[in-house]
Amino acid sequence: ETGVTQTPRHLVMGMTNKKSLKCEQHLGHNAMYWYKQSAKKPLELMFVYSLEERVENNSVPSRFSPECPNSSHLFLHLHTLQPEDSALYLCASSQVRGPSTDTQYFGPGTRLTVL
Amino acid sequence: GEDVEQSLFLSVREGDSSVINCTYTDSSSTYLYWYKQEPGAGLQLLTYIFSNMDMKQDQRLTVLLNKKDKHLSLRIADTQTGDSAIYFCAETLNTGFQKLVFGTGTRLLVSP
Repeated sequence: ETGVTQTPRHLVMGMTNKKSLKCEQHLGHNAMYWYKQSAKKPLELMFVYSLEERVENNSVPSRFSPECPNSSHLFLHLHTLQPEDSALYLCASSQVRGPSTDTQYFGPGTRLTVL
Repeated sequence: GEDVEQSLFLSVREGDSSVINCTYTDSSSTYLYWYKQEPGAGLQLLTYIFSNMDMKQDQRLTVLLNKKDKHLSLRIADTQTGDSAIYFCAETLNTGFQKLVFGTGTRLLVSP
């Protein structure tokens, strides 16, 4: 257990569905991250929230919409996804300390399949 | 560029040592990490090394850093079947928050 939980662990959805992924961290961190892990590709950073403000959005399609209501929770809202969006979605958290930050701790991921 | 490169596959026998190699690109990286991913699971932090160090040992794990060549390695002594997993190295970019750039991962297979 890393102190970062994700739900659901597995999700199958159609292209017209709307669903949300949830991440919760119990480490007292103030930064949270969404990554996408596809087969045979490096982990891709999607979004970063630091102190509940979005600080990075790596040109992610608008069909992915993040939400960070507080420092412990992070959501990824999904709508009208494509089959190529099927992947493992990983959440991570870290503690921002001024100009440098601490280690990122990862959740177990949500395995998403888009039919 | 921000490419972190690793070999894709390594096979060893139980009890042998494993050495997983990584090359990175950003000479200003302050931290370099090794993460482990078991099937169906997220990434587990194994160890990290500060850029001003050239070696770090943690039980069966030894990390070597060659800053001149931007080369990082992870040695696992007395490799066990439970060490079979994908190992990712990652460098940090100084962007005001911790941005990690990951390699593609090395799949380690340990046979009895």
